[in-house]
Amino acid sequence: AQSVAQPEDQVNVAEGNPLTVKCTYSVSGNPYLFWYVQYPNRGLQFLLKYITGDNLVKGSYGFEAEFNKSQTSFHLKKPSALVSDSALYFCAVRDTIQGNTPLVFGKGTRLSVIA
Amino acid sequence: EAGVVQSPRYKIIEKKQPVAFWCNPISGHNTLYWYRQNLGQGPELLIRYENEEAVDDSQLPKDRFSAERLKGVDSTLKIQPAELGDSAVYLCASSLFGGQGTGELFFGEGSRLTVL
Repeated sequence: AQSVAQPEDQVNVAEGNPLTVKCTYSVSGNPYLFWYVQYPNRGLQFLLKYITGDNLVKGSYGFEAEFNKSQTSFHLKKPSALVSDSALYFCAVRDTIQGNTPLVFGKGTRLSVIA
Repeated sequence: EAGVVQSPRYKIIEKKQPVAFWCNPISGHNTLYWYRQNLGQGPELLIRYENEEAVDDSQLPKDRFSAERLKGVDSTLKIQPAELGDSAVYLCASSLFGGQGTGELFFGEGSRLTVL
């Protein structure tokens, strides 16, 4: 069964510095990978996805993520963090080995950007 | 365009009481999902519908949870009777072409349940 790991519960970064939120995955086939963000008392919002093609994927709010098949990783990055980026970030993966497999989420990483 | 709408946003009940949550997906989205999110955790799938058919309900505790999507549009998730451990946020999401698996999910704002 597919799984996703977010090894850091919390990431702290100073405003203006680059940020990275880590994600690794495990699938039997090829992965479809997603990043979502959740602000307090809100639902999850889609940021970006990797389906196929270019390993570097650009998404909303200046975020990007790099798919690395050999390291089974899909880390989320942003060149310059904003205080407003502070939120809970979820990585999710869907395995393509069988027809309709569920989207499985990691436990989330709380990003705190300090002014 | 309206997003996924859920109600109620908050619900507080005593254990053994019933509770129901309602979800209206984005117009035209044929796939609807119910997820449960416990505090400090990621969402976990309870059930997924393709139109009115439940195609994945393996994680739904069927002794006390039920769901329906009668006309392939809006959906209701029910818990009866509720237990203390059911306290969580219940998220509804929808997507286009869920069977193809490439589309992102659009989430509602969730229904936060507190069982006392």
